[in-house]
Amino acid sequence: GQNIDQPTEMTATEGAIVQINCTYQTSGFNGLFWYQQHAGEAPTFLSYNVLDGLEEKGRFSSFLSRSKGYSYLLLKELQMKDSASYLCAVMDSNYQLIWGAGTKLIIKP
Amino acid sequence: IAGITQAPTSQILAAGRRMTLRCTQDMRHNAMYWYRQDLGLGLRLIHYSNTAGTTGKGEVPDGYSVSRANTDDFPLTLASAVPSQTSVYFCASSDSTGGQPQHFGDGTRLSIL
Repeated sequence: GQNIDQPTEMTATEGAIVQINCTYQTSGFNGLFWYQQHAGEAPTFLSYNVLDGLEEKGRFSSFLSRSKGYSYLLLKELQMKDSASYLCAVMDSNYQLIWGAGTKLIIKP
Repeated sequence: IAGITQAPTSQILAAGRRMTLRCTQDMRHNAMYWYRQDLGLGLRLIHYSNTAGTTGKGEVPDGYSVSRANTDDFPLTLASAVPSQTSVYFCASSDSTGGQPQHFGDGTRLSIL
């Protein structure tokens, strides 16, 4: 079967760095997406990786290793507004997104 | 402002009733999707449409139907609602089915009693 695993919840301190991991087993691979979802709101797109390596976008970076079925989202200089759930999703061989359950990130002052 | 509009925002419905959730996008995206999101689970795909006039079944299609008469609209119908369909429903669209990100509407919170 297809499976996306990510931690259920993480806590970090304002101003610090946090890494959210995602491991996957899917039928085929056509890219990995990270989304941010604030409570009660819609998911919003953060990043897309299809090749191995690190993609940097401001305070957020995303890494992919296809051979290991592994990705992480790195958030630097954490701000209170970064408190949200972070969703990992893999596009399978049918170009459908398989979603993880999300990691709830709690930022403490 | 370009985007996806879903209606209603929330609804309480008696079991056995028929309900249509509306979704309209003005970005001229080819692909559209319906997901449900339940606590502790990832988003699960109900139905999708790669282009106007075509639809396909996702992971959890039973009890739901869709149509795609034009590019902009993608309504989701529950023919006879059951309590297990209580969920938050998100409509999404993307420019293509490849590596393009999906853009989401604000969701419909549906409670079936």
